[in-house]
Amino acid sequence: IAGITQAPTSQILAAGRRMTLRCTQDMRHNAMYWYRQDLGLGLRLIHYSNTAGTTGKGEVPDGYSVSRANTDDFPLTLASAVPSQTSVYFCASSPSGAGGEPQHFGDGTRLSIL
Amino acid sequence: SQQGEEDPQALSIQEGENATMNCSYKTSINNLQWYRQNSGRGLVHLILIRSNEREKHSGRLRVTLDTSKKSSSLLITASRAADTASYFCATDAYKAAGNKLTFGGGTRVLVKP
Repeated sequence: IAGITQAPTSQILAAGRRMTLRCTQDMRHNAMYWYRQDLGLGLRLIHYSNTAGTTGKGEVPDGYSVSRANTDDFPLTLASAVPSQTSVYFCASSPSGAGGEPQHFGDGTRLSIL
Repeated sequence: SQQGEEDPQALSIQEGENATMNCSYKTSINNLQWYRQNSGRGLVHLILIRSNEREKHSGRLRVTLDTSKKSSSLLITASRAADTASYFCATDAYKAAGNKLTFGGGTRVLVKP
């Protein structure tokens, strides 16, 4: 079934550790996004990529980095995790990155930083 | 910061009743989208309404948009237990490049059988 795969589904991590969340899509979408979802705050955009080789900062980029080496993969890295990064992380994609396109979401990674 | 604020935060109704939720936003937009999220799952796109549209229908869903009031509403008619979920509005800012969405805090809907 076409879609977005995120891994791991959940993780408990010690503060200060490095962690990479994986996201792969098989829809050949050009644009990909990373959001975090915290209770009562909806989703907030961390980073995005409109095409392979390019990335941009969203609303809450500090403490996170991304890369887009190819169309299918868009990993999110926490270089040194802090407790405030405890959240549910969602990866999404859209066909071209143009405004007005629905975004397709993975099922998220639940991350707890202790 | 959140662009969209949703009201109510939570809604409990009986199966067969209609559910209405509202979204208000702060700045001018190109488009507004509504998404559904089932517990423990990712968001699923429901409907998109453009800034020059006032109403849109999709099955049992009806969305309205009032750009003068910077608000939108989502109506689910003849609700079913399977409609139990959280519903989010999302906007992309007027003249902004790309497809960067700003989400509201969501409305949790419980449909009781």
